[in-house]
Amino acid sequence: GESVGLHLPTLSVQEGDNSIINCAYSNSASDYFIWYKQESGKGPQFIIDIRSNMDKRQGQRVTVLLNKTVKHLSLQIAATQPGDSAVYFCAENSGGSNYKLTFGKGTLLTVNP
Amino acid sequence: DGGITQSPKYLFRKEGQNVTLSCEQNLNHDAMYWYRQDPGQGLRLIYYSQIVNDFQKGDIAEGYSVSREKKESFPLTVTSAQKNPTAFYLCASSMGGKRNEQFFGPGTRLTVL
Repeated sequence: GESVGLHLPTLSVQEGDNSIINCAYSNSASDYFIWYKQESGKGPQFIIDIRSNMDKRQGQRVTVLLNKTVKHLSLQIAATQPGDSAVYFCAENSGGSNYKLTFGKGTLLTVNP
Repeated sequence: DGGITQSPKYLFRKEGQNVTLSCEQNLNHDAMYWYRQDPGQGLRLIYYSQIVNDFQKGDIAEGYSVSREKKESFPLTVTSAQKNPTAFYLCASSMGGKRNEQFFGPGTRLTVL
């Protein structure tokens, strides 16, 4: 999902399918990355994180992959459910900052029953 | 219950008026943040505070002010100098340090009439 200005990238999947959401990050010095899920009208919720010394990390039904060579993150959601419908944001720790995060523009995931 | 609270959920303001958004956390986090989110956009950092009585400007601080007199509280004032204040405002907090996972509040939607 590459950003295209004001229009969010969208991904539409069938319930039960696997989803893959992509993110390109900007700063090669960033060494900590997070995926957040944001439902309409609510604050973002933490899903999973990964440090730059790892290529892959798994959680419950979610996997994050990190490719530092091309500055790319992906979030894989297994057996996608209607409750997974939301906007998903990646965030990087702004060039290694202990405090600041830089957020991507997000991808809208719609799960069709 | 531990978490971050923001109030009010919806706020209406007349042009030319200042308004203050509340953010409180009981997570014992040192760092707190304010973000602005516009439709179809990612989060943009307004101000952040690493510790009590200290704060730094983020990427879009013009027209906003903050204070950090207590660890638990980080109010944001949207002043009349902010040219386009209608947006969804999100407060977050974190421990700080290399694993900078930020926890978000539910947000305040500000509309200027």
